Amino acid sequence: NAGVTQTPKFRILKIGQSMTLQCAQDMNHNYMYWYRQDPGMGLKLIYYSVGAGITDKGEVPNGYNVSRSTTEDFPLRLELAAPSQTSVYFCASSEQVYSYNEQFFGPGTRLTVL
Amino acid sequence: AQKITQTQPGMFVQEKEAVTLDCTYDTSDPSYGLFWYKQPSSGEMIFLIYQGSYDQQNATEGRYSLNFQKARKSANLVISASQLGDSAMYFCAMRGPDLIQGAQKLVFGQGTRLTINP
Repeated sequence: NAGVTQTPKFRILKIGQSMTLQCAQDMNHNYMYWYRQDPGMGLKLIYYSVGAGITDKGEVPNGYNVSRSTTEDFPLRLELAAPSQTSVYFCASSEQVYSYNEQFFGPGTRLTVL
Repeated sequence: AQKITQTQPGMFVQEKEAVTLDCTYDTSDPSYGLFWYKQPSSGEMIFLIYQGSYDQQNATEGRYSLNFQKARKSANLVISASQLGDSAMYFCAMRGPDLIQGAQKLVFGQGTRLTINP
């Protein structure tokens, strides 16, 4: 049981380039989330999904896109990378639990845009 | 809107001492949940403890306990008998308003960097 996995671990992009951050979970969780963590700050929600084919915007969605074709995978697409997107990106998943939804986090992807 | 405030950017504690990390929150929702996560230098987010707003007792998990004072809107994390491995960033987070179909985002504070000295 690998939990939540993310690739790549590190990436440097030039301004204007595009890339996809991969996220996969093997816990059969319906809910998946993408957060970004800027230096010295807490995490902010970018996009989330409640199941295959259903996604919605979070707090800071501009410059990103997502898709969810399977329960396991939730890739995050960056189009036209900008220096403001330099951050650490975390994918998380959770299941519907009556009292709370503990979110399980992946190891993160550190992205630098130059 | 939900807000989490962690007022201690950094804390230094001697090994084996107890440490309290402060967290205050703001919400108008009567039903909410509070989480603490640990982020070591390796970067991953590790769930530590959860407290629901209707829970009658303070949450405990091993050496971690949550000092929940609802009237003061505070949810401080207490680590007993600190160890060198406890050195990390600690984030307090609140379960945010319900999103579509039961999804729940987490609203994070800015974190406290805890350093345990030998």
